[in-house]
Amino acid sequence: DGGITQSPKYLFRKEGQNVTLSCEQNLNHDAMYWYRQDPGQGLRLIYYSQIVNDFQKGDIAEGYSVSREKKESFPLTVTSAQKNPTAFYLCASSINRDQPQHFGDGTRLSIL
Amino acid sequence: AQSVTQLGSHVSVSEGALVLLRCNYSSSVPPYLFWYVQYPNQGLQLLLKYTTGATLVKGINGFEAEFKKSETSFHLTKPSAHMSDAAEYFCAVSESRGSQGNLIFGKGTKLSVKP
Repeated sequence: DGGITQSPKYLFRKEGQNVTLSCEQNLNHDAMYWYRQDPGQGLRLIYYSQIVNDFQKGDIAEGYSVSREKKESFPLTVTSAQKNPTAFYLCASSINRDQPQHFGDGTRLSIL
Repeated sequence: AQSVTQLGSHVSVSEGALVLLRCNYSSSVPPYLFWYVQYPNQGLQLLLKYTTGATLVKGINGFEAEFKKSETSFHLTKPSAHMSDAAEYFCAVSESRGSQGNLIFGKGTKLSVKP
């Protein structure tokens, strides 16, 4: 079945540590997105990519980094510069920017 | 700039009652509008979308929404609530018309269904 796979489902980070969240899709979608979800805040866009080897900052990119070396993969690194990283992170993809987005099941990141 | 307002962070209905979740948007151009549903610890699933054409849009699980330009609204309804409808619902707007618009999400409405 086609879909988006996020791993791991739960992730714990120590203070000062970088962590990388995985997002893989086999839908052959060009566009991919990373969102952060906090209770009562809705979804806020961190980064997005419309095509391989290209990506743009979203509304809350500070403390995060991404890469898009392959069409099917869009990993997100939460760096030590992100002071409040505890959140639920959602990856999404779409055929292009005009089409609905399909979401993975998320990764919940917590600080030890 | 685009924005989305969902009235009511929590809505509670009895099983079999009407479900009405409110969404108002602001957009400088005709928008694309979406409703998504999220079950606990899962991603978002598309319920329905409005792009152009008929203003009453039918989605999955018996939900529908009506685009009312004059009221800048896109409220979600279901005639008869089921226990399985308990979830969080997000309205989203996009100004994408082949442009560079992104999806802007509302803050969500958590729906509870009482037996």
